[in-house]
Amino acid sequence: QKEVEQNSGPLSVPEGAIASLNCTYSDRGSQSFFWYRQYSGKSPELIMFIYSNGDKEDGRFTAQLNKASQYVSLLIRDSQPSDSATYLCAVNMRYEGSGGSYIPTFGRGTSLIVHP
Amino acid sequence: DAGVIQSPRHEVTEMGQEVTLRCKPISGHNSLFWYRQTMMRGLELLIYFNNNVPIDDSGMPEDRFSAKMPNASFSTLKIQPSEPRDSAVYFCASIPGQSYNEQFFGPGTRLTVL
Repeated sequence: QKEVEQNSGPLSVPEGAIASLNCTYSDRGSQSFFWYRQYSGKSPELIMFIYSNGDKEDGRFTAQLNKASQYVSLLIRDSQPSDSATYLCAVNMRYEGSGGSYIPTFGRGTSLIVHP
Repeated sequence: DAGVIQSPRHEVTEMGQEVTLRCKPISGHNSLFWYRQTMMRGLELLIYFNNNVPIDDSGMPEDRFSAKMPNASFSTLKIQPSEPRDSAVYFCASIPGQSYNEQFFGPGTRLTVL
């Protein structure tokens, strides 16, 4: 069973704090990892992707990947109320039934609340 | 570009009725995905097409669901007959090429089956 696991939350942090969102995945062969943000009633939008072990920074966002531990995380620095949303972790996983194609598998998302 | 277009945005129907959801991917994108999102199960991949050909439909819940992509600019997801447990938001997404990079999601169709 190919799985992506996230804590559903909600994760509540004060404005200006660091929010840490975590994700684990089951397929050791996965190579591509993505974080999407979804506001209530809206569609998911990509905020970060990471392919290599280590950290990748983009503005207030840092994605961290540890393939040996099958773990990917997203840090949001200086959290703002506008960051309040559900954050979805997505992992490309290889499914034999699809002719070996890599199929995106999403976690159920973590709800983040940033309070003033 | 207008992005991925889905219609209708909202659909309310009665159990047993046929429902057809429509999607127009971004021009030039040749992979298209249909997802269903519920609170209980999150975002589930139903089926994905590459160059109009279904590659993986293992996520389609049962025979009541069918999807087609007759050309590069149009896809449908049909539910017949519909049941209350089909109530969900259905998203269509597209990407350029077959390699998975950023998925561009449509606004979704909120389906309610009474």
